[in-house]
Amino acid sequence: GAVVSQHPSWVICKSGTSVKIECRSLDFQATTMFWYRQFPKQSLMLMATSNEGSKATYEQGVEKDKFLINHASLTLSTLTVTSAHPEDSSFYICSASATGTDPHQPQHFGDGTRLSIL
Amino acid sequence: GENVEQHPSTLSVQEGDSAVIKCTYSDSASNYFPWYKQELGKGPQLIIDIRSNVGEKKDQRIAVTLNKTAKHFSLHITETQPEDSAVYFCAASSGGGADGLTFGKGTHLIIQP
Repeated sequence: GAVVSQHPSWVICKSGTSVKIECRSLDFQATTMFWYRQFPKQSLMLMATSNEGSKATYEQGVEKDKFLINHASLTLSTLTVTSAHPEDSSFYICSASATGTDPHQPQHFGDGTRLSIL
Repeated sequence: GENVEQHPSTLSVQEGDSAVIKCTYSDSASNYFPWYKQELGKGPQLIIDIRSNVGEKKDQRIAVTLNKTAKHFSLHITETQPEDSAVYFCAASSGGGADGLTFGKGTHLIIQP
């Protein structure tokens, strides 16, 4: 149980294009989803928190107009990197938790999306 | 905000020996401490977690200890096996799964056959 699926797993695109990444909870309802970024051989850094049906909360230093997050249903959140540039190249990982009325549910992670901007 | 320090960055042990990874945190409001295992090209996989009302938790070969006073927690893996080789991350948050996690920098665990 507690499977999180992320798509695509790898994307290469030209500078200036926008890229959408999907994160789905396959066997549970995710009231809260998180987006992290991981540079090579580094740790995961929280970018934003999204709750179903409300606006995402971004961490300090993360541009909300650059990284658009939509959490339209209890099983799907999307991250759109707008007008991507080479410095946006990274490993983007989502996580989901079925907190609901129980805040003690752990976060389960997807397998990440490797984004390469040429 | 929270700051999580993790040591060592690399740990090499002989197969069958034990491995210990240590983390410290700065925010006394943190009350949830998960450990994740990440294999190359994959997302982190939760292996064990502990909450601040518990001092120790064990699951087969894996155990976690928490010292709230000293603000540190440790992962213990006994009888290590080659498949334990991976990068391990500790993390902390103040709201369980409902809050974003602050991660340590990771420990590359190498199990020597």
